[in-house]
Amino acid sequence: DIQMTQSPSSLSASVGDRVTITCRASQSVGRHLNWYQQKPGKAPKILIYATFTLQSGVPSRFSGSGSGTDFTLDISSLQPEDFATYYCQESHTTSPAFGQGTRVEIK
Amino acid sequence: QVQLQESGPGLVKPSQTLSLTCSVSGDSITNTIYYWSWIRQPPGKGLEWIGYIHYTGSTYYNSSLSSRATLSIDTSKNQFSLTLNSVTAADTAVYYCARYCSPHLRGEFDPWGQGILVTVSA
Repeated sequence: DIQMTQSPSSLSASVGDRVTITCRASQSVGRHLNWYQQKPGKAPKILIYATFTLQSGVPSRFSGSGSGTDFTLDISSLQPEDFATYYCQESHTTSPAFGQGTRVEIK
Repeated sequence: QVQLQESGPGLVKPSQTLSLTCSVSGDSITNTIYYWSWIRQPPGKGLEWIGYIHYTGSTYYNSSLSSRATLSIDTSKNQFSLTLNSVTAADTAVYYCARYCSPHLRGEFDPWGQGILVTVSA
């Protein structure tokens, strides 16, 4: 099974900051990489699929990049509603795996 | 608008069987490009994929749970279900159902149900 590792596990940032979250796969997943946002007590929501395609309704301050084993999620200017936990997920195999999550907290 | 809703008992005794159902509205469970999935999240921890099922009956399971988990689908009710046997406290989690777009297309989980907390305790 593929292992997905996110870094950092948590970060503190201020409104307006640029934030970058990294996701690394234990073997190549091509561009089959998705990102989710989860707020406390809520189900995760899809942000980006297939590495860089924004789900409908997702603000353009979110962007994704990468290929193979290394991927990033960027938030260009952090907004109050962006404080949440973010997960990556590979869909290259028949056993989709999630990263352990990155918690974005208010500085 | 597609919506999913989990249902089932919130408390299960150790060694017994956990059974949950997900009701789907706004889409047919026989839509060929989608699989129907279960994902869980222990309190304060990350997401763990359990398995997914296609309406044709094809099933895929997380290897760590495959000996205890069974997915089934009822096309007449537009529902799918999870059973997990021989549960322990480690199975305490919020259980989510979600629609999974075929990995040959996009492979994302969307939408998700609101989740149901299942506690394993005597």
